[in-house]
Amino acid sequence: DSGVTQTPKHLITATGQRVTLRCSPRSGDLSVYWYQQSLDQGLQFLIQYYNGEERAKGNILERFSAQQFPDLHSELNLSSLELGDSALYFCASSVGTGLDEQYFGPGTRLTVT
Amino acid sequence: GEDVEQSLFLSVREGDSSVINCTYTDSSSTYLYWYKQEPGAGLQLLTYIFSNMDMKQDQRLTVLLNKKDKHLSLRIADTQTGDSAIYFCAETPPGYSTLTFGKGTMLLVSP
Repeated sequence: DSGVTQTPKHLITATGQRVTLRCSPRSGDLSVYWYQQSLDQGLQFLIQYYNGEERAKGNILERFSAQQFPDLHSELNLSSLELGDSALYFCASSVGTGLDEQYFGPGTRLTVT
Repeated sequence: GEDVEQSLFLSVREGDSSVINCTYTDSSSTYLYWYKQEPGAGLQLLTYIFSNMDMKQDQRLTVLLNKKDKHLSLRIADTQTGDSAIYFCAETPPGYSTLTFGKGTMLLVSP
């Protein structure tokens, strides 16, 4: 158990819908990262937050957004969902913004039908 | 641009050594990592190597880095069936803590 929790574990929704994925980092970690794992694209970095502020942005679509709240949990919002958004979404956390070890959550499996 | 490449599949017998290879293109990467993903689980950091090192050993794991060829390898000695998983090579671009992953190598260990 990495100490990072993600909810829900599984999510099935229809095209065009909007979902919110939630992540709680390890106690004491200020950075949260979101990654998407799909069969065709592999594991890709989406976005990073540090202490409530966006820190780095990767291959995140404009339909997707994220935020980190004062209690340091983070939410990833996916809207206007398409079939191709079906993937495993991982959250990871680390102490700071440097090269600290990232601890990964178990992931949320999103299926868009 | 940055890209990390790995072979997709490796099959070995229990007790043999496994070698998983990775090539990367960003020569300015600071750290290079190996992560393990077991079925239905998240990623677990196995080991990492700083870019100015050639080798790092950690129990059954040996990481070799050839910076000139941008080649990274992970050797698992005395491979066990519990080592069956997907192994990801990853790098961090300088100035960032985000990870760029390869597509992963599925290691299958047979008894």
